[in-house]
Amino acid sequence: GQSLEQPSEVTAVEGAIVQINCTYQTSGFYGLSWYQQHDGGAPTFLSYNALDGLEETGRFSSFLSRSDSYGYLLLQELQMKDSASYFCAVRSPGDDKIIFGKGTRLHILP
Amino acid sequence: DTGVSQDPRHKITKRGQNVTFRCDPISEHNRLYWYRQTLGQGPEFLTYFQNEAQLEKSRLLSDRFSAERPKGSFSTLEIQRTEQGDSAMYLCASSTIGQQGAIYGYTFGSGTRLTVV
Repeated sequence: GQSLEQPSEVTAVEGAIVQINCTYQTSGFYGLSWYQQHDGGAPTFLSYNALDGLEETGRFSSFLSRSDSYGYLLLQELQMKDSASYFCAVRSPGDDKIIFGKGTRLHILP
Repeated sequence: DTGVSQDPRHKITKRGQNVTFRCDPISEHNRLYWYRQTLGQGPEFLTYFQNEAQLEKSRLLSDRFSAERPKGSFSTLEIQRTEQGDSAMYLCASSTIGQQGAIYGYTFGSGTRLTVV
């Protein structure tokens, strides 16, 4: 089976940097994705890591260590609009769907 | 193309009634997925289609649930004899399957929020 663990909530201050961690257990591994979901909205794709290392997209970066079955999402220069839930997700070889973690609720303080 | 569309956005129904939701995927996507999401949880996989073929169903999908994608375009998810435990957001996503099984463009709709009273 597959399982993902991420903190349920994280709080940070506007303008700061925050890191959301994700550990996973899968039978095989294609890559780790991150999604953002605002209240009442659809999950939207943020990033994907198939190989070890850091991927940067604007204020957001995502990191993967396959040997540690671990990844994180880094959000810089936090803005109030970044208040949302963030989900890590994995897909395993031979599996044609993406499985999501339970999500991390990010609270941003002014 | 305006992305993945779901209808209705909200549905309130009495326990025991049947409900049906519709999903219109991105037109060039051949894969369509249904997920269920409850408050404070991540999306949980229910089932998926490649074109009109239903290729996998989760154990979460009891026999009261049925999904179809008759022409390989839009899909419907029906819940019969609804129970209060069925209250959730039902999300649809679509994607393209490429070479060597790579999935591209996994895109979600805004969901249908079901409340069973």
